[in-house]
Amino acid sequence: ETGVTQSPTHLIKTRGQQVTLRCSSQSGHNTVSWYQQALGQGPQFIFQYYREEENGRGNFPPRFSGLQFPNYSSELNVNALELDDSALYLCASSFTGTDEKLFFGSGTQLSVL
Amino acid sequence: GEDVEQSLFLSVREGDSSVINCTYTDSSSTYLYWYKQEPGAGLQLLTYIFSNMDMKQDQRLTVLLNKKDKHLSLRIADTQTGDSAIYFCAENGGGSQGNLIFGKGTKLSVKP
Repeated sequence: ETGVTQSPTHLIKTRGQQVTLRCSSQSGHNTVSWYQQALGQGPQFIFQYYREEENGRGNFPPRFSGLQFPNYSSELNVNALELDDSALYLCASSFTGTDEKLFFGSGTQLSVL
Repeated sequence: GEDVEQSLFLSVREGDSSVINCTYTDSSSTYLYWYKQEPGAGLQLLTYIFSNMDMKQDQRLTVLLNKKDKHLSLRIADTQTGDSAIYFCAENGGGSQGNLIFGKGTKLSVKP
């Protein structure tokens, strides 16, 4: 049990719609990262937030955006959904300034029809 | 470019040792990690090793790092059926703290 919680656990959307996924970080952590895991693949880094600002981004288009709130919880927003966005979305929290351990939540399974 | 490679499958008998191998490309990685993923679940951090170490032992887990060859391995002693899962190797690649680069994962099957 990592203390990182994500909601919802499952979501079904149609192409072109927008989606918001949520994450609560582990207590004491100040950094959150989001990953996309397609079926049969390893997770791919989307972006990271620290002190409510984006602090690193992977190879994902601007329609993937995020927010981090003062309580260190976070949102991932995806606009104009495409079929290839179907994946497990994982949130990970950590504490910048100590050893670099990331603790993951159980993820949100997004299906785009 | 950055890349992490793992074999896709490993099958062992209960009680045997399992060895999962991984190669990575970014020599600037300061940490290397092993994560476990069970069906329908997120990633569980098993262990990690700092790049200036060559071995780390944690109960049934032993991590070996050959920095010259950019080769990382995870040995699980006395493998149990509950160890059946997908194991991911990851490196931090010298990027931002949360930017880990993962392999595709090795599916470990443990037969009774």
